[in-house]
Amino acid sequence: QQQVKQSPQSLIVQKGGISIINCAYENTAFDYFPWYQQFPGKGPALLIAIRPDVSEKKEGRFTISFNKSAKQFSLHIMDSQPGDSATYFCAASKVGDDKIIFGKGTRLHILP
Amino acid sequence: KAGVTQTPRYLIKTRGQQVTLSCSPISGHRSVSWYQQTPGQGLQFLFEYFSETQRNKGNFPGRFSGRQFSNSRSEMNVSTLELGDSALYLCASSPGTPNQPQHFGDGTRLSIL
Repeated sequence: QQQVKQSPQSLIVQKGGISIINCAYENTAFDYFPWYQQFPGKGPALLIAIRPDVSEKKEGRFTISFNKSAKQFSLHIMDSQPGDSATYFCAASKVGDDKIIFGKGTRLHILP
Repeated sequence: KAGVTQTPRYLIKTRGQQVTLSCSPISGHRSVSWYQQTPGQGLQFLFEYFSETQRNKGNFPGRFSGRQFSNSRSEMNVSTLELGDSALYLCASSPGTPNQPQHFGDGTRLSIL
């Protein structure tokens, strides 16, 4: 059972464009939703995270939008740059629980 | 502050052997979690240790085991290796208190011949 579904699997965006990655979850007990960025040969690095009591969180060019009723959340990367080319994972967990459930990942490529 | 350190970075084993992977968490972090990453299954949770006790466990067979030492360093052991165990094994640490993010190491790439 895939508890966190992520789409698309891969994404190509022009430099300066907006990259959008979507995720949906099933378990309503989840209340912490982090996004991780992974470069080849490296471990995942926490990018930004949100809790369901807010509908949007912005950090620089990265924004998470959260829709609790639809059980969906998304990552928007504004003014996408070639250095943003990486694999992005959405994830979910319960507060106080270090078990993270990851989506399958989105391989993002930004064209120069 | 040093990050999460995993050793070795690469390992090649044959079927039937066993392997031990090591993880040194960020100083002061008391929780260590292990994940398996494969192209087909993605990132899957193996187990979590906090203060030398297994606090959480994923859906992996008993061949996968771990332990944590009093200095929070952790080891993961896989016995009777199978071809399907080829993967990147990632360790993550956190303070272990609520609302704290996990920080990942760069993993150990295990290849089974």
